[in-house]
Amino acid sequence: AQTVTQSQPEMSVQEAETVTLSCTYDTSESDYYLFWYKQPPSRQMILVIRQEAYKQQNATENRFSVNFQKAAKSFSLKISDSQLGDAAMYFCAYWGSSGDKLTFGTGTRLAVRP
Amino acid sequence: NAGVMQNPRHLVRRRGQEARLRCSPMKGHSHVYWYRQLPEEGLKFMVYLQKENIIDESGMPKERFSAEFPKEGPSILRIQQVVRGDSAAYFCASSPGSASSYEQYFGPGTRLTVT
Repeated sequence: AQTVTQSQPEMSVQEAETVTLSCTYDTSESDYYLFWYKQPPSRQMILVIRQEAYKQQNATENRFSVNFQKAAKSFSLKISDSQLGDAAMYFCAYWGSSGDKLTFGTGTRLAVRP
Repeated sequence: NAGVMQNPRHLVRRRGQEARLRCSPMKGHSHVYWYRQLPEEGLKFMVYLQKENIIDESGMPKERFSAEFPKEGPSILRIQQVVRGDSAAYFCASSPGSASSYEQYFGPGTRLTVT
């Protein structure tokens, strides 16, 4: 079974600084996707960024980028120029081609200090 | 283009009552997934449905929980004889089809509180 591990329950960053959230996963599949979701206090799940495993290039969405290390099964999220609105729970998730469900990590709560 | 709709947003039930949670997928989507989020935890898969079919219910508790996605109308997650441990946020997601089931769009969730 696939597992997703987020080892940082909480992180804190100064406004305008950069922070990196860690995620590791375990799988025997070769075809899969990885995601970072943001969950603000409203609880809405917002897709931040997606990475296809077959793509070597790291995905980027504005201030959000990933460091995808396939051999190490690592998928970290870097948030640059942090803003107060970035404060939320962040979940790493995995989808494999042999199944249809998303498997989530336990989340990292990010606080942004003004 | 409306997103995934869930209602009610908040539901309070006393122990032993039934809870019915509804999910309307995005227009054009025929695949629905239900996830449960217990307090301070990540989302856990419960069930995957297509119209009139349950495809994967490996995450559903064996008793008291059921799900359906009829030909017409929303998908329903039904919890019979609720207990305090059922208190959680229940999220529905939809996707256009099985080939793109990685592309799941989430609804706002239903927060169930059992008193």
